Amino acid sequence: DTQMTQSPSTVSASVGDRVTITCRASQSISTWLAWFQQKPGKAPRLLIYKASTLQDGVPSRFSGDGSGTEFTLTIISLQPDDFATYYCQQYDTFPLTFGGGTKVEI
Amino acid sequence: QVQLEQSGADVKKPGAAVRVSCKASGFTFTDYYFHWLRQTPGQGLEWVGRINGKSGDTMYEKRFLGRISLTRDTSITTAYMDLSNLTSDDTAFYYCARGPRGVVSTPLFDHWGQGTLVTVSS
Repeated sequence: DTQMTQSPSTVSASVGDRVTITCRASQSISTWLAWFQQKPGKAPRLLIYKASTLQDGVPSRFSGDGSGTEFTLTIISLQPDDFATYYCQQYDTFPLTFGGGTKVEI
Repeated sequence: QVQLEQSGADVKKPGAAVRVSCKASGFTFTDYYFHWLRQTPGQGLEWVGRINGKSGDTMYEKRFLGRISLTRDTSITTAYMDLSNLTSDDTAFYYCARGPRGVVSTPLFDHWGQGTLVTVSS
């Protein structure tokens, strides 16, 4: 199975900050990586797929980068609505696997 | 609009079985796979399995083999997850999410159900 490791597990930030979250895969997954945002009591929401493609309706302050085993999600100018938990997920091979999550808190 | 509507919360005793349903609307059911995932505080998000909305073919995460069954009813555009021999470790939110079959170009997991809390307790 492909293990996904996110860092940091928690990030404390302020409105307007730039935040970068890292995700590492235990083996190469090309660009078969997605990022999700989740708020308490809600289902995850797709933000980015194929490592860097922004999903329809997602603000352009979100961006993704990387290939192979190293990936990043960057939020430029953090907004109040962005305080949430973020997950990476690989879909290169089955079983599909997720990172442990990064909580972005005030 | 695309919707995946799941059945309500359920409480089961250890050893029992649970069925969660996922009613799809707003898109062509047979163009998609229906994936099931679960989320627990301890294990995070994990993929459980998927069913082909057209053929009914299934694929399961190996740790659930023997006690998981995914089915679908195309006439009512609904997918089902049956999980048996429940233990307290199965207490979780269960989600359905759609994935493209290749005849459409939407991204994987672009729409999710609202989640169903299954609690296993004696």
